[in-house]
Amino acid sequence: GAVVSQHPSWVICKSGTSVKIECRSLDFQATTMFWYRQFPKQSLMLMATSNEGSKATYEQGVEKDKFLINHASLTLSTLTVTSAHPEDSSFYICSARDLQVLSNQPQHFGDGTRLSIL
Amino acid sequence: GNSVTQMEGPVTLSEEAFLTINCTYTATGYPSLFWYVQYPGEGLQLLLKATKADDKGSNKGFEATYRKETTSFHLEKGSVQVSDSAVYFCALSNYGGSQGNLIFGKGTKLSVKP
Repeated sequence: GAVVSQHPSWVICKSGTSVKIECRSLDFQATTMFWYRQFPKQSLMLMATSNEGSKATYEQGVEKDKFLINHASLTLSTLTVTSAHPEDSSFYICSARDLQVLSNQPQHFGDGTRLSIL
Repeated sequence: GNSVTQMEGPVTLSEEAFLTINCTYTATGYPSLFWYVQYPGEGLQLLLKATKADDKGSNKGFEATYRKETTSFHLEKGSVQVSDSAVYFCALSNYGGSQGNLIFGKGTKLSVKP
């Protein structure tokens, strides 16, 4: 089945640093990838929709300069948390939509990245 | 607009008990409905789905039936196991409008005790 790899799975860093999270579709092409944020005991909050070769579409309330998204190829999207602070600590999950099998499942999910800012 | 409402947890059951997690939705058109499961520290996995009214999705002993008349998609399992402990998310997707964007419920945490 379709596999989405997210890396790293866990990162701890100091306040003020920037952190890059990668999301790759391993066995299919994905024109669209989604980035979610999940707070403890809460649902997934869609942050942005990333389209290959164009600018990402951010949801209301999400700072585009804080959360930089790049989708340079059909298999890779990256989320960079710039100048991270403790309040950015969270679980970030990406997903990708399979062009070939759109009707089977709308999105395939990565395993998430646990980000902890000290 | 489109929305999903699911019962709040946490739900705590003993092994082999019957499970029901309620989910209702509001949507325009004819959405597809999904249940996703999230095990501790992991991302989401599709558990089951239904794409039209009266469809029943099933997987790993879990079932849910797409009820258009009650706009519901309740998740059931006849006999839960400790390994079923996870957070369960009900979701809908309206392909025609949003091209596959998912709208999630808030999630229900299930804990199964031996």
